[in-house]
Amino acid sequence: SQTIHQWPATLVQPVGSPLSLECTVEGTSNPNLYWYRQAAGRGLQLLFYSVGIGQISSEVPQNLSASRPQDRQFILSSKKLLLSDSGFYLCAWSVRITLSYEQYFGPGTRLTVT
Amino acid sequence: GDSVTQMEGPVTLSEEAFLTINCTYTATGYPSLFWYVQYPGEGLQLLLKATKADDKGSNKGFEATYRKETTSFHLEKGSVQVSDSAVYFCASDGGSQGNLIFGKGTKLSVKP
Repeated sequence: SQTIHQWPATLVQPVGSPLSLECTVEGTSNPNLYWYRQAAGRGLQLLFYSVGIGQISSEVPQNLSASRPQDRQFILSSKKLLLSDSGFYLCAWSVRITLSYEQYFGPGTRLTVT
Repeated sequence: GDSVTQMEGPVTLSEEAFLTINCTYTATGYPSLFWYVQYPGEGLQLLLKATKADDKGSNKGFEATYRKETTSFHLEKGSVQVSDSAVYFCASDGGSQGNLIFGKGTKLSVKP
């Protein structure tokens, strides 16, 4: 069966510090991978998605970047965090099942920028 | 482009009450539709889905029917429990390359 891991689970970082969040998927090959952010009390904002190694699409201009160095590894980074980067970060993977794409989410990382 | 709109919350119900959370979509094609649930502090879990018109998705007592004529996919449950308290997201796979388009989420609180 497939599983998705995210770490760390929680993170408190000062403004201006770097960031690296990691996501790995097990039990599937060549998945689409996604990074979402969820601000407090808000909906989901798609940040990046990737359809293959080294292929990254950005949905919104921002202070963050993403990389996919391996098929099942997706990394979210920042060189200098802003207060507005605080939120709940969710990684997801998807696969096409017959006529539809289903997405499966990791447990999330709660980032607080102080 | 495609979009998903769901009723704003929060929704507060007593235990054993009937639940409806409205969701409507706009689409240029024929997307599949989904309901996801997010319990406090957790990621999203796929609750149910429907892939074509008149399909009914169901899971854990929740149901939703894909209504093409009204472009709707309302979530229903006959008798809610305290453990159903969560945020519910409606979604379609009408985005580019199968990306999901999510509604803004509806927070449900069930009181004993």
